[in-house]
Order: sequence, then C-alpha cells, then structure tokens
Amino acid sequence: QKEVEQDPGPLSVPEGAIVSLNCTYSNSAFQYFMWYRQYSRKGPELLMYTYSSGNKEDGRFTAQVDKSSKYISLFIRDSQPSDSATYLCAMRSSSNTGKLIFGQGTTLQVKP
Amino acid sequence: GAVVSQHPSRVICKSGTSVKIECRSLDFQATTMFWYRQFPKQSLMLMATSNEGSKATYEQGVEKDKFLINHASLTLSTLTVTSAHPEDSSFYICSAMGVYNEQFFGPGTRLTVL
Repeated sequence: QKEVEQDPGPLSVPEGAIVSLNCTYSNSAFQYFMWYRQYSRKGPELLMYTYSSGNKEDGRFTAQVDKSSKYISLFIRDSQPSDSATYLCAMRSSSNTGKLIFGQGTTLQVKP
Repeated sequence: GAVVSQHPSRVICKSGTSVKIECRSLDFQATTMFWYRQFPKQSLMLMATSNEGSKATYEQGVEKDKFLINHASLTLSTLTVTSAHPEDSSFYICSAMGVYNEQFFGPGTRLTVL
C-alpha cells in the first residue's frame, strides 16, 4: 500500500463547476499538507500549504485536512479552462529533513 | 511567491557526455534543496537532498557517482549527470525549501541523451 493515494483521473468537468480533488494517506505522522498544480512540461507550483487539521481558503481554492480520517481535499470553485492541469497532493512529517511524499497526481480538464 | 530557476531548460547530449543542471533560488536563501526526476505521466521521484556546505543525501537506488550534487551556496545547487546514457533521459526538477519548510519548485530541465 502506498503512503499516499490519489486517484489519477482524468477528471473532466464543465467550466464553472466546483472541482473536488482528494488524497488519503496512511502515516499518522504527517503534519504538513500541500497541493501543487503542474502544467504539462513545467515544474509544480505551490497552491496551498496547511498545517494539521482544518480549512484554508485562498481565492477560488479551499484546502481541507481531516487528520482523524487521514483525508485531504482541494476544492476549486468556478473552475476555468486555465485550471486544466495535474494536481499533486504532498505531505510530510515534522522532521527536519523536509522530504515530501507525493500522491500520483490527478489530471483535471475543464471544458469551455 | 518564492522563485526558483533552473538552467538549462532543455539539453540534448550524446551518450557518454556529462551534463550539469543548475538550480537557483532567486529571492530567498535555501539551505536545503531537493532534486527530483519525473517520467511521463508519473509523479515526482526524489533523487537526493542537497544541503549547503555538506554532502548530499541520496535516496535508495540512486547512484551517487552518476548523479553528482554540489550545493555551493545558499542560492545555488547543481546536479551533474556523469557519462549520460539514453536511460538517463528524463525531466529533472529541483526545489528549494523556504522559511516555513515549504518547497518551491523550479521549471524543470528536460534531458535527452542520444
């Protein structure tokens, strides 16, 4: 079993839809949770960075962490064609190494 | 947000040659940088952790003599692929760790070995 599970999709939605992306994990030591967006042939871009459980909102993006269920989510409101990309969840423990464990990535396509 | 650059963005070389890739944090200092490799339609695979002023820590299965890492300053880490072969062709991405231990990624370097 992988430490972090993420459905690779692809996920196709119409423009304006609310998108829900999810990851589950097995290591209870994970404390920091991130979502990255990666366009084809580019490096990942940090979208959201959260610590422990709770919600965080930034514009059209909302990140949720439920540590009791070992489940994290990223919601995208009013999705746009420019949101079409691969979304990677990543997480790490509080150790000083800073090493991230990534999900497989979910490919999202927002159709105009 | 923090900016990380990589150079070159793309390189094509002949088998047996060595290739150096630079990773720079442009507007912040990074004592720790990471090097990843990514195959098509796959997630990132961590190759090594680079710490300024000390030897890199390599992940299991990564040949340290083939992938030489030097973190000479707080804003620069280099990855040298020595005696490159076609199987080394891949997308190499670096990241730099920020003040809150978040990772900011560079744009990546596409290496093609003929």
